[in-house]
Amino acid sequence: DQQVKQNSPSLSVQEGRISILNCDYTNSMFDYFLWYKKYPAEGPTFLISISSIKDKNEDGRFTVFLNKSAKHLSLHIVPSQPGDSAVYFCAASGGSNYKLTFGKGTLLTVNP
Amino acid sequence: ETGVTQSPTHLIKTRGQQVTLRCSSQSGHNTVSWYQQALGQGPQFIFQYYREEENGRGNFPPRFSGLQFPNYSSELNVNALELDDSALYLCASSFQERRTGELFFGEGSRLTVL
Repeated sequence: DQQVKQNSPSLSVQEGRISILNCDYTNSMFDYFLWYKKYPAEGPTFLISISSIKDKNEDGRFTVFLNKSAKHLSLHIVPSQPGDSAVYFCAASGGSNYKLTFGKGTLLTVNP
Repeated sequence: ETGVTQSPTHLIKTRGQQVTLRCSSQSGHNTVSWYQQALGQGPQFIFQYYREEENGRGNFPPRFSGLQFPNYSSELNVNALELDDSALYLCASSFQERRTGELFFGEGSRLTVL
C-alpha cells in the first residue's frame, strides 16, 4: 500500500520555464510534508517543507503548495535551471515519530 | 559542522552472509534513522534510534537490527542476507526535539548480494 505517490517517473522542461512536480498521499494522519532532491551517488538533501496548517511555503525559486482536501501537494521551481536536474522525492510524516514515508521519486531534467 | 558519514560506500556479499554498515551522525544530532532504497523506489524506513534505543520500526524482519552508541553513531546489521537485500542503505540524523521531520542523509552504502 503506497501511501505517498508520485505518478510521474520523469519530467523534462526547458531552462527558465516552470517545473511542477506532483505528489498525492492517502494517509490522513500525515501532517508534515517535505521535498528532497537527490543527485546520483549522493544522499537525498532537504529542499523545502510544509506543515498541514499551511497551504503554501516559499523559499527562493521553490514553492510548495498543499491541498489537504485533495490530499495533494506540488513543488514549483521557477525559473528552472540545469543544476536542478535530479530526482525529487516527496515525503510525509505524522504522529510522534519522525518516520518519513517517501514516494518513488520524479526525475527532473532541465534542458539548456 | 560535520555532516552524516557512512561506511563502507560499496560492498558485495553473498547470500546467507552477514553485513554491518556504519554511520556517524551530524554534529549536534541525537537521533539516527536507517532507510533502504531499492532500485527505482523511494527510501523505505527501517528503524530509528534515539538515546541508544529503538524508537520506531518499519516493515522489516528481525534479521535487520541496529545499534546507537553514546556518541550517537550507529550501526545497521543484516543477517542471513537475501538477494532482495541488494539496495542503497541510507543513514539519516536529526534532532529529536525539533518536530519538523527534516532528516539529514549520508551518501549511503550500496550493498550487492550475489
